[in-house]
This record gives sequence, structure tokens and C-alpha cells, in this order.
Amino acid sequence: DAGITQSPRHKVTETGTPVTLRCHQTENHRYMYWYRQDPGHGLRLIHYSYGVKDTDKGEVSDGYSVSRSKTEDFLLTLESATSSQTSVYFCAISESTDQPQHFGDGTRLSIL
Amino acid sequence: GENVEQHPSTLSVQEGDSAVIKCTYSDSASNYFPWYKQELGKGPQLIIDIRSNVGEKKDQRIAVTLNKTAKHFSLHITETQPEDSAVYFCAARSLRLAFGKGNQVVVIP
Repeated sequence: DAGITQSPRHKVTETGTPVTLRCHQTENHRYMYWYRQDPGHGLRLIHYSYGVKDTDKGEVSDGYSVSRSKTEDFLLTLESATSSQTSVYFCAISESTDQPQHFGDGTRLSIL
Repeated sequence: GENVEQHPSTLSVQEGDSAVIKCTYSDSASNYFPWYKQELGKGPQLIIDIRSNVGEKKDQRIAVTLNKTAKHFSLHITETQPEDSAVYFCAARSLRLAFGKGNQVVVIP
């Protein structure tokens, strides 16, 4: 498996609380991505990063922010979690936009 | 943006038979088409991909074919085995990678 570690793997929290998910890679890839996976929707891109401190929005970015202070770490933050953000979140990495994306094993987030 | 559709949503096959999953895409500028396999509790794993300058690619029991004129591409799994049971996702990339909604493949022993 590509060296991608997501933490935590599972989290249950309450509406209105802040939540931060972490993605750590050991591949030194430039690009990192956050997706959410929901039944009937497949994988949808939330945000992505093309380098340290360089990020951009995906198709479902509302309610999420990201940060990348080091090549190996990409953080996804829900400033005030809502029940609609209950989902499985996947991090992916790639060397460039022209190269395949490889995924971590996900974080299952439940917001009550 | 790119829109990718997968058919059928669920596919059941007898062990040893072949399975075919078809995807259609909307953006004629898409030039890269990966397939991912996802097992329960795991992340999607890249199993094969094809670029637009190639019509077919094969890797052991799996193959992918691309028809750019019709804007569709297909995953072929031959001699299916129980461990092939999973959800399979196709994707297409023009500016960004867009995923289909996934197919559940069940291989019946």
C-alpha cells in the first residue's frame, strides 16, 4: 500500500463541535486530496493541495477547510460539524496531476 | 464538469465466469481513465488504468477497453474468483478526476 495514514480511523462527535482529520504520507508526493464517500454519490472531492501552503477547493468544499504546513501532512477541518457531514473521508496522494491517485483507508465520521 | 456513469449498479456472476462493467463519460477532453477496487473497510485501490492514446490494456485477469468516439470504457474481469467480490469505481479525468458511483460485484462460489 502507498504510505498513507489517516487518523483517526473512526470518530463520533456532536453537532457544532470542531473536528480535524489528519492525512500523513511517506511518499513525498506533491499532491494531496480529501474526498468524502456517501451512498449513491461515489467519491466527491472536497479540497486538494498542490504543495505546501497551496490548496484549492473541490466540488463539495462548503463547511470544510484544509491546511498543509508540511509536505507529508494534509489536515481537513470541519469548523462546526453538522449531521450532513457524517460520511467516510478519504485522503489520496499523487506525484502530479498526470499520475494515479492512491488512497488511504479512510476515516468514518459520525456527527450526532 | 465531467460526469461519469456506471452500469449496472450491482452485478452477480458465477465463479469462473467473466464480469464486465461499463462506464460512460461526458467530457470529450478526458484523457485518463482509472479503475479502483474497494473492499469493505478499505480505501479504493487502483487496479488498472488507461490513457486516451490507447484502446485496450490488460493485466492478467483484468482488462480495460476505451471507446473515445462513444465516450465509454469498460472493465473486464475473466475467470472470476470470490476475492474479486468488491465495489468497483471507474473515473475519468479532464481537469480533475471524476468518479462514478460504483458497482457492487458479487462472485458466487
